[in-house]
Amino acid sequence: GAGVSQSPSNKVTEKGKDVELRCDPISGHTALYWYRQSLGQGLEFLIYFQGNSAPDKSGLPSDRFSAERTGGSVSTLTIQRTQQEDSAVYLCASSLGGRTGYTFGSGTRLTVV
Amino acid sequence: AQTVTQSQPEMSVQEAETVTLSCTYDTSESNYYLFWYKQPPSRQMILVIRQEAYKQQNATENRFSVNFQKAAKSFSLKISDSQLGDTAMYFCAFLYNNNDMRFGAGTRLTVKP
Repeated sequence: GAGVSQSPSNKVTEKGKDVELRCDPISGHTALYWYRQSLGQGLEFLIYFQGNSAPDKSGLPSDRFSAERTGGSVSTLTIQRTQQEDSAVYLCASSLGGRTGYTFGSGTRLTVV
Repeated sequence: AQTVTQSQPEMSVQEAETVTLSCTYDTSESNYYLFWYKQPPSRQMILVIRQEAYKQQNATENRFSVNFQKAAKSFSLKISDSQLGDTAMYFCAFLYNNNDMRFGAGTRLTVKP
């Protein structure tokens, strides 16, 4: 696609429910990244996928968070048993190589009530 | 560990004037990349300008330019002839390798008419 697409744009969920956030990167971009942005804060790295290599999961805050990338394209970030502190904007980015910079999507605003 | 510091949480500037946003970083590496991203209310992070550490010449993109001081580990962004559309959050970012982009906490810039 022309840009990085994320869905849904906004998600309100009840505490304890599971949620799935989707990211469709730019076609041909081999690298995909997930970041979390809490209100008024900078970006917190969550996970990184590069081609067919094992993902770098070092930023995932707990075992309630997981992500997968199917066929080297679309990625899904799953949060199980959501907590109020999970409320944030989740940003996805893709790149051909990080040195040229990342292209970001518009994010998913998750609100846990 | 690489860290990025933006010491100005908020700034304002009159339309058509010039403003400089500060950024410092800490690293022991000699080869890396630096970026400034703009995040308008739409939430999408937009790459403004990019600097390669091994290049001494400061990067310039139209009204945006940087002052890169490698020894001082400083990477400030100058916006000339500020426009209302420049109102946004600005994030400084440091890239050491392809999968490790670190962001500062951001500076909220308001351009006043």
